[in-house]
This record gives sequence, C-alpha cells and structure tokens, in this order.
Amino acid sequence: SQQGEEDPQALSIQEGENATMNCSYKTSINNLQWYRQNSGRGLVHLILIRSNEREKHSGRLRVTLDTSKKSSSLLITASRAADTASYFCATGLYGNNRLAFGKGNQVVVIP
Amino acid sequence: SQTIHQWPATLVQPVGSPLSLECTVEGTSNPNLYWYRQAAGRGLQLLFYSVGIGQISSEVPQNLSASRPQDRQFILSSKKLLLSDSGFYLCAWSGDRGEETQYFGPGTRLLVL
Repeated sequence: SQQGEEDPQALSIQEGENATMNCSYKTSINNLQWYRQNSGRGLVHLILIRSNEREKHSGRLRVTLDTSKKSSSLLITASRAADTASYFCATGLYGNNRLAFGKGNQVVVIP
Repeated sequence: SQTIHQWPATLVQPVGSPLSLECTVEGTSNPNLYWYRQAAGRGLQLLFYSVGIGQISSEVPQNLSASRPQDRQFILSSKKLLLSDSGFYLCAWSGDRGEETQYFGPGTRLLVL
C-alpha cells in the first residue's frame, strides 16, 4: 500500500523565512494531501493535489507533485510563529476509502 | 456546517480496565468514519473505518474493537486495556470517498497505567 514519507523530520526557521517539506510515496495514487497538526490537537486539512496536477497554491502554501518521482513538496512562504506545527502528507487511491499518512514533519518558526 | 466531536478529551485508565471512546458527527449524512491512533511523535495508524451502520473494517489486529450503532456515531472499545494501548486517538469523517479529504476530531489522549 502507498505510504507517505516526509523529509526532513524536523525544521527550525526564523519568522519570515520559507519552509519546505518533502514527501515520497511508493505506489500509484489518485491524490496527495497535506495536513497540519498543532500540538495535542486534531489534524487540519490544508490542500489536496490530484495525480494529474503538478502544482497548486492556497494562500501562502504551494504544493508540487511529481508522479514520475513519486514525490511532493510543501512550501510555506513568509512563515509565521503560528505556522509552528507538525505537517503530514497523506496519499489516496481511488476507491480505496482510506488515506495513508506519513510520519510527519515538525516545523518550529522562531519569532 | 459539519462538526465532529470526541470525548473524553483525556483519559487515564488502569491496565485491564475496559475502554469506550465515542465520536459523533453533525451536519452530514452517511459519512465514512475512521479511528486512528497516533503514538507520541509518530504518524497516524488507521485502526478501523466504517462506510455505513454496522459495517466495520479492521486494519490492524489488536486489543480494540469498533462499532457504529448509528449513522453518525462511531465507538472505539476494549474489554481489557494494555499498556501498549496508550496513545492519542483520533476520529475522522469523510464523504463517500474516503480517499478524498478527511476531517478530524480534537482527539482523545489515553494513558494506560
């Protein structure tokens, strides 16, 4: 089954800098999603990119998808202290009714 | 709008005691429902999911069970808790395509002593 694997595992940046996280997976997918989790809270959906899309934007978020390399990246531009959280990628396969989550990236934005 | 509730928020239980965690969804009909467990600093492990009342799919054989007695209610249970059952339990719902966006509850932190 497909599984997301984020890289790097932990990232510490200054407020205003950009943060980039990567995710790789192993099998064909229908979509790839990114979620954010603040400490001790549930996950919040950020963005979904479909297998026929290469890039997608939402506010300060930019997601790319390279199906030939089975990888995705999440870029957060002009980071804020409130962006401090763990970020997870998840892959979905059509008709599977499930998502496969990666281990997550912890991002700390220093004010 | 749709909302998802989980309770309790925190639970401390002795080894060997029973468990019942409840999840309810409002504002939608016939959702897919999911139970995940998250160990400290780790990713999410899918435990159970349900596409309808009384329909439960188990992903990982373990000490836990799930039930869906009503359309928007999902319950996670155990007859006898183990130390290894400690973790953060998350309930989520989706539309009829669970590989699309899932919406998560606030979670229950379970500590088994």
